[in-house]
Amino acid sequence: KAGVTQTPRYLIKTRGQQVTLSCSPISGHRSVSWYQQTPGQGLQFLFEYFSETQRNKGNFPGRFSGRQFSNSRSEMNVSTLELGDSALYLCASSSGQDREKLFFGSGTQLSVL
Amino acid sequence: AQSVTQLDSQVPVFEEAPVELRCNYSSSVSVYLFWYVQYPNQGLQLLLKYLSGSTLVESINGFEAEFNKSQTSFHLRKPSVHISDTAEYFCAVSEYTGFQKLVFGTGTRLLVSP
Repeated sequence: KAGVTQTPRYLIKTRGQQVTLSCSPISGHRSVSWYQQTPGQGLQFLFEYFSETQRNKGNFPGRFSGRQFSNSRSEMNVSTLELGDSALYLCASSSGQDREKLFFGSGTQLSVL
Repeated sequence: AQSVTQLDSQVPVFEEAPVELRCNYSSSVSVYLFWYVQYPNQGLQLLLKYLSGSTLVESINGFEAEFNKSQTSFHLRKPSVHISDTAEYFCAVSEYTGFQKLVFGTGTRLLVSP
């Protein structure tokens, strides 16, 4: 079974631009969550989607948004990028039977110049 | 709200020595507790979890952690480490109803040298 796949692996953007990151969960997993990892703030929860609905949201500004498609694939979007948005963005998925076990992707490293 | 404290940012040890990575948490509600490991350039992998029952939980690669409710701790231990255990270890908590919403500690980098 393929793991959680995140694309692209690396991304370089400039301030003010917007970016879209993609996440394909493990086949059969319907829950997808996103985390931001930075050296200063560590790992912080962004949001969670289940069956195309946002179920939980972290404490991030409205510039950060996401969505989930009917095939459980998820995207997150960051608009009007700021230097502080430079981070590793991790996606995780879980199954209905084993909800507490999250499987993480390798992440997308976003650099904002 | 919950919070997790990992006091040690880095723990250097020699191969085959025992190690303990400390984790303390704070929460006004009951929580589930987790340890995740992150190898370089990879995502996180679940190492072990405490949901209920026995307070001592074990992983398949020799790590164990003990939930101590009175001390609000969930320290990770291994009696004999290997070079391959070099990684960053994260302690995390979640409320019963929000498994996917994990609150992580700042991580402890375990450096195992020969």
